[in-house]
Amino acid sequence: SAVISQKPSRDICQRGTSLTIQCQVDSQVTMMFWYRQQPGQSLTLIATANQGSEATYESGFVIDKFPISRPNLTFSTLTVSNMSPEDSSIYLCSVEGSSRNTEAFFGQGTRLTVV
Amino acid sequence: AQTVTQSQPEMSVQEAETVTLSCTYDTSESDYYLFWYKQPPSRQMILVIRQEAYKQQNATENRFSVNFQKAAKSFSLKISDSQLGDAAMYFCAYRRNTDKLIFGTGTRLQVFP
Repeated sequence: SAVISQKPSRDICQRGTSLTIQCQVDSQVTMMFWYRQQPGQSLTLIATANQGSEATYESGFVIDKFPISRPNLTFSTLTVSNMSPEDSSIYLCSVEGSSRNTEAFFGQGTRLTVV
Repeated sequence: AQTVTQSQPEMSVQEAETVTLSCTYDTSESDYYLFWYKQPPSRQMILVIRQEAYKQQNATENRFSVNFQKAAKSFSLKISDSQLGDAAMYFCAYRRNTDKLIFGTGTRLQVFP
């Protein structure tokens, strides 16, 4: 299993500002994933972050809005840039187990409110 | 493209009773994995149970079991002897090999004493 520490757990931000969310894993992992969960909805994958390469973004998400860093095998950050109220969501970091049939492990999530 | 559908936005059950949450999915693959995740108000996503598509036997984890119908592309979750702590959002998820997880829209389960 993997233990994931995600910070901050929640924040209230002014529109037009940026917030960086941190995700720390207690073991080395190849891929880290960032999800968005809008109020009352399911999880949508934003991007996959591999160490040493550019993140891969899903349709509808762009690097300018959600820049991601992956400086090593245990850490990643997601920045939500130039925020608007529509960005108010829960953002979750996730990693997967070492073998393909293990489950994904999730951080506690960051509840972001943009005012 | 693969999709996961949960047709029950909300379900309720009395404590100690049994409830079944539905999930269907669409895929042309034969080798994949299915999961049920629980998300309580704490927001932490917790794995409830997983099923490998190549296994015919339905997975069971204590009070939780699945009814996996591969031909029908159905993957329902049965919760027996429901407890107050089972109240949460439940998400069905699909993954092919090491591809990304695809989640359903979720079912909110309420448990009444």
